Amino acid sequence: GAGVSQSPSNKVTEKGKDVELRCDPISGHTALYWYRQSLGQGLEFLIYFQGNSAPDKSGLPSDRFSAERTGGSVSTLTIQRTQQEDSAVYLCASSPPTGVWGETQYFGPGTRLLVL
Amino acid sequence: DQQVKQNSPSLSVQEGRISILNCDYTNSMFDYFLWYKKYPAEGPTFLISISSIKDKNEDGRFTVFLNKSAKHLSLHIVPSQPGDSAVYFCASTHPYNQGGKLIFGQGTELSVKP
Repeated sequence: GAGVSQSPSNKVTEKGKDVELRCDPISGHTALYWYRQSLGQGLEFLIYFQGNSAPDKSGLPSDRFSAERTGGSVSTLTIQRTQQEDSAVYLCASSPPTGVWGETQYFGPGTRLLVL
Repeated sequence: DQQVKQNSPSLSVQEGRISILNCDYTNSMFDYFLWYKKYPAEGPTFLISISSIKDKNEDGRFTVFLNKSAKHLSLHIVPSQPGDSAVYFCASTHPYNQGGKLIFGQGTELSVKP
């Protein structure tokens, strides 16, 4: 079966431009997470969606970051007015509905974003 | 503040020997811990987990030990194989993180030499 997919795999943009990153979770997975990994850092939680509940946005670093999940499936992470410090690998993960905080998460390959 | 710390950015071991990767956490509310393995250009994949009600969990060559009083966990790989070469992340969560939001360490890059 298909895993979590993300597009694009790589994105180079100029400072100040907006970017959109896409995540297709595993079919049937109700939970979707966005993380990012900056150079030399661990994975940093950004935002979490669970079904129709309001998303947990507590990890978003600034109001330039936003995300939506349409129809409970595909998610888009948008970064407005990109800055060089936004350069990182952005990872999406999905999780099945059978567990809550103990459930393992299945990660996509990530989008490598470089802001020049 | 870094709630989950992996103080060794890299580790090199000989094939067949034991690899020990360490992780420390600061939040005593954390009660579930996981290890993920990551190859270059791929997303992390789940390896093994442990609940705070246990002090050891074993799965084949992989064993995770949890010392709650020291807020420390470790991953043992024995015998180590060249295919184990990857970056290993420990992660933790606690019941107030609804939905399983994970707090990750910085990762340790393991290199297993033939």
